[in-house]
Amino acid sequence: EKVMTQSPATLSVSPGERATLSCRASQTVSSHLAWYQQKPGQAPRLLIYGASTRATGIPARFSGSGSGTEFTLTISSLQSEDFAVYYCQQYTDWPLTFGQGTRLEIK
Amino acid sequence: EVQLVESGGGLVQPGGSLRLSCAASGFTFSTYSMNWVRQAPGKGLEWVSFISSSTGAIYYADSVKGRFTISRDNAKNSLYLQMNSLRAEDTAVYYCARDSRGSGTEFDYWGQGTLVTVSS
Repeated sequence: EKVMTQSPATLSVSPGERATLSCRASQTVSSHLAWYQQKPGQAPRLLIYGASTRATGIPARFSGSGSGTEFTLTISSLQSEDFAVYYCQQYTDWPLTFGQGTRLEIK
Repeated sequence: EVQLVESGGGLVQPGGSLRLSCAASGFTFSTYSMNWVRQAPGKGLEWVSFISSSTGAIYYADSVKGRFTISRDNAKNSLYLQMNSLRAEDTAVYYCARDSRGSGTEFDYWGQGTLVTVSS
C-alpha cells in the first residue's frame, strides 16, 4: 500500500498570502495524484488531478506540481473561502489512498 | 447537472447489516466507474470500494474485504454498498464518488454523504 503523508498538519496563513501544502508518497505514484478541498459539513471537491491539471471551474490561484514521490499544492493569494482541509490522493495503485489532510486556517 | 444522492445510513448494532444506495443523475451512469469513500467523525478520507462501469472489476480496502459488497444497477442509475458484520470502526459518513476518467482515477463528483453509526 502506498502511504501518503501530508505536511504540515495545520498551516496558518493570512488572507492574500501564499500557501504551500506538501504531499509525499512512500513509493512513486508517477503523476497519478489528486488534491481535494473539504469544508466543514461538505463533501470533498476535486481541485487538481494528474498532479498539475486544474479540475473544471477551479480558480487559477490553485496550482499543483511534482511527480514521483513529492507533490505540492500552492494557493497563490488566499481568499476567505480557501480556508479548509486539503487532501492528496494517489491513484496509481490499489488500494487508492489519501493523505491525512492539511488544515489551512486563518492567521 | 451531475447529482449523487446517498441514502440508507443509520444506527445499527455491532454485527448488524446495512445497505447503502447512491442515486445518480445528470450523466450516463453506465459509462462511469464508481467508488465508495468514507470519513470517520473528525478523521480523514478512506477509500472503501470501486466498481467498474462495464469490465466487472471490483476492488475493496482490506479493512472491509469479506464484509462489504459493492454493486450497481445501471438500469436504475444506482450504486449500492451492502455492509455486513459491522463494527464500531465502520462508523463514518459514506460518500459515493464518481471516477473521473476511467478505472481508478480521481473522483470528480461526490454525493453529500450518509452517516452510518455502529453502536449498541
